[in-house]
Amino acid sequence: ETGVTQTPRHLVMGMTNKKSLKCEQHLGHNAMYWYKQSAKKPLELMFVYSLEERVENNSVPSRFSPECPNSSHLFLHLHTLQPEDSALYLCASSQGAHTGELFFGEGSRLTVL
Amino acid sequence: AQKITQTQPGMFVQEKEAVTLDCTYDTSDPSYGLFWYKQPSSGEMIFLIYQGSYDQQNATEGRYSLNFQKARKSANLVISASQLGDSAMYFCAMRGYPASKIIFGSGTRLSIRP
Repeated sequence: ETGVTQTPRHLVMGMTNKKSLKCEQHLGHNAMYWYKQSAKKPLELMFVYSLEERVENNSVPSRFSPECPNSSHLFLHLHTLQPEDSALYLCASSQGAHTGELFFGEGSRLTVL
Repeated sequence: AQKITQTQPGMFVQEKEAVTLDCTYDTSDPSYGLFWYKQPSSGEMIFLIYQGSYDQQNATEGRYSLNFQKARKSANLVISASQLGDSAMYFCAMRGYPASKIIFGSGTRLSIRP
């Protein structure tokens, strides 16, 4: 198994749909992250969870709702998204919040119609 | 405020040649770490190499080395004997201490010519 697994790899949704992105890490890490990667923009940190508690929320719109039920799983619930939310969403984990290097998943490519 | 700058949006290099990818940074943190990541077309971000600001020697990992010049605030990635599989986006990143989030540069797209 790879260290960080993301599903689905590709997702197309309408603006009125509700969908979720899933991330699972098998590295025994305590921190998990959601990043957004849009074309021609640097990676943007969205959320950080440490030991299942959210420790950072970078002014992300409420149409993105994270959930971390345990230290191995992280979800990003999506609802009433906008076309500009189309991007690659990357999940990452590290040993602790803001310590050690990040280990990334392969990303979920989201297209909002 | 922290900032990472990668001034080369794209580079073309002949196979087997060495290549240097530029990265400059700015931070007021007393201690910090510098990272390089590779992102192939598949999308996954792959960790390549790490340099701590107080490390005495430049970091090396196989064909990757980091040319760290603290006074100039630069942390260039050097890839020796480039291979076709090195074609990808490369991102420089930094984390300051006390604990702070990792910030990324805008990336350099490296293309290796056969």
